[in-house]
Amino acid sequence: DQQVKQNSPSLSVQEGRISILNCDYTNSMFDYFLWYKKYPAEGPTFLISISSIKDKNEDGRFTVFLNKSAKHLSLHIVPSQPGDSAVYFCAAKGNFGNEKLTFGTGTRLTIIP
Amino acid sequence: EPEVTQTPSHQVTQMGQEVILRCVPISNHLYFYWYRQILGQKVEFLVSFYNNEISEKSEIFDDQFSVERPDGSNFTLKIRSTKLEDSAMYFCASQGGEKLFFGSGTQLSVL
Repeated sequence: DQQVKQNSPSLSVQEGRISILNCDYTNSMFDYFLWYKKYPAEGPTFLISISSIKDKNEDGRFTVFLNKSAKHLSLHIVPSQPGDSAVYFCAAKGNFGNEKLTFGTGTRLTIIP
Repeated sequence: EPEVTQTPSHQVTQMGQEVILRCVPISNHLYFYWYRQILGQKVEFLVSFYNNEISEKSEIFDDQFSVERPDGSNFTLKIRSTKLEDSAMYFCASQGGEKLFFGSGTQLSVL
């Protein structure tokens, strides 16, 4: 039961260009969406989030877009840097305070110098 | 910056043995979680914990698993009789606002 899907297992982008990572979800009760970045042998690190009342949230080089009608969100990284090479997980949760996060399968982003 | 700490970083055990994975959540957080990631797969929810009791648990979290907050700072995951398929990276997390903050994980290898 994949409620959160990341259909691209990997993505390679030239340094300086834009990286776009995509995520789709099926559960209409999801209310809050997060992106996590994970390096090997480390825990996921919070990157950026968006509430369902917004369609865009920006933090420096990172922007998350949410299209509720399409149940789709995307993470844009611009400009991409070599340190951005990692696995990126999309995650979603409902609107209760301690509701668990449901993670996607991840996209491995490789930035080519 | 406060962080979630997990020990040990690696644990190797024989099938059928008990293991205890330890976590120290961020001190002013109230909600705690355990997740795991089997190699190459997604991060899966195991259990959430609030006010000294389990809030929610997944199908993975069967009778072989238990969690405890024995002393108000540590948060432990016990696997009573480990199976080969329990081999995974186990992550502890604590919640601040809407965000979960994860530890660096314990790599559990069951032989």
